[in-house]
Amino acid sequence: ILNVEQSPQSLHVQEGDSTNFTCSFPSSNFYALHWYRWETAKSPEALFVMTLNGDEKKKGRISATLNTKEGYSYLYIKGSQPEDSATYLCAPGMTTDSWGKLQFGAGTQVVVTP
Amino acid sequence: DGGITQSPKYLFRKEGQNVTLSCEQNLNHDAMYWYRQDPGQGLRLIYYSQIVNDFQKGDIAEGYSVSREKKESFPLTVTSAQKNPTAFYLCASSIIGQPSGASPLHFGNGTRLTVT
Repeated sequence: ILNVEQSPQSLHVQEGDSTNFTCSFPSSNFYALHWYRWETAKSPEALFVMTLNGDEKKKGRISATLNTKEGYSYLYIKGSQPEDSATYLCAPGMTTDSWGKLQFGAGTQVVVTP
Repeated sequence: DGGITQSPKYLFRKEGQNVTLSCEQNLNHDAMYWYRQDPGQGLRLIYYSQIVNDFQKGDIAEGYSVSREKKESFPLTVTSAQKNPTAFYLCASSIIGQPSGASPLHFGNGTRLTVT
């Protein structure tokens, strides 16, 4: 089982502020990195799937970068809004694992206060 | 609208009883998965299936069983052999794309199982 670390575990952000947090994973045998947003009482929703070193993805005010050589990904939220409050999960997939198998981090819980 | 339906939302059972959690999808996805969530931990893979009548164990398959008789359905049975069954269970599905591991998962709303 992979060691996938997400930090911080939780963070509080003032509405309008920008924030970012990290997902760390073993750099060897990397294949893909998934980011999901999980709002309370809803199902996790896919944000990004990233596969290339240096890849950057953007969806509205949320963006992500990927460094496969050092094994980390950053997720950024620009101008946080209360609707951004959620737990953000990352999940790398490795070439050594069986098809489709992802290892999830414990998540970063983001609370945006008005 | 296409999606994944898990039922029931809450389930209560006595220790020693088997219980089956339902998962149905109408997304026409080939692959389906069962994950378990415990407080402070990441989602852990229990079982997954790429095709009808075939499935593989995930990281924590002991005490669980699954079947995949139809493409749309992937029920999970929590048996009495599972030592700590109380948890939140999520079902997911995805297409089987190439390369593997690059297709996003689509999740259901989950079932919270409490065993006393």
